[in-house]
Amino acid sequence: GESVGLHLPTLSVQEGDNSIINCAYSNSASDYFIWYKQESGKGPQFIIDIRSNMDKRQGQRVTVLLNKTVKHLSLQIAATQPGDSAVYFCAEMGIIQGAQKLVFGQGTRLTINP
Amino acid sequence: NAGVTQTPKFRVLKTGQSMTLLCAQDMNHEYMYWYRQDPGMGLRLIHYSVGEGTTAKGEVPDGYNVSRLKKQNFLLGLESAAPSQTSVYFCASRPRLGLAPRMGTYEQYFGPGTRLTVT
Repeated sequence: GESVGLHLPTLSVQEGDNSIINCAYSNSASDYFIWYKQESGKGPQFIIDIRSNMDKRQGQRVTVLLNKTVKHLSLQIAATQPGDSAVYFCAEMGIIQGAQKLVFGQGTRLTINP
Repeated sequence: NAGVTQTPKFRVLKTGQSMTLLCAQDMNHEYMYWYRQDPGMGLRLIHYSVGEGTTAKGEVPDGYNVSRLKKQNFLLGLESAAPSQTSVYFCASRPRLGLAPRMGTYEQYFGPGTRLTVT
């Protein structure tokens, strides 16, 4: 079956450093990807998305890179802050019960050390 | 706008009891979703709705029922709760493609979650 996964379940970085969260996907037909941030006790919040016709997209302090050749997605967070500590999920547009739906990965916990 | 709200925030049930989780959104979104989130796992889709009066099964629908009688509300029911249904439940909604604030996005807006424990 198709799957979305993350290379590392946990990641710790020093405040002010850059962080990179990776995500592997297996459905080569996926044409849309999205990153969410989930703080403790809250619902996921949208960070950034990207379509398969792009290989890079930038937001405020965040950049998503898409490598379709190796089916790899990454989220880069620049100059990390304590508020960046959270679980980050990638999701791809996949097929569930015959219809297109977002399929979420397991998540990576990012901890920012002071 | 309140966005997406969920009621209740916490609940403890005994095995076999029933309950209904309520999701409400005030953004006039067409699509609504119910997910469950278990420790160390991502979100898994239970049921979803593409409009008022319509519902469809997601990835893990067994043991749950849903109803979308009003556009702004999406109810998730557990008829006979089981310990395996202990989880955090999230509701989400999104507008039709083309009506979103940003073009071409499938961004879903999530509620704060309901923590359900079945003993």
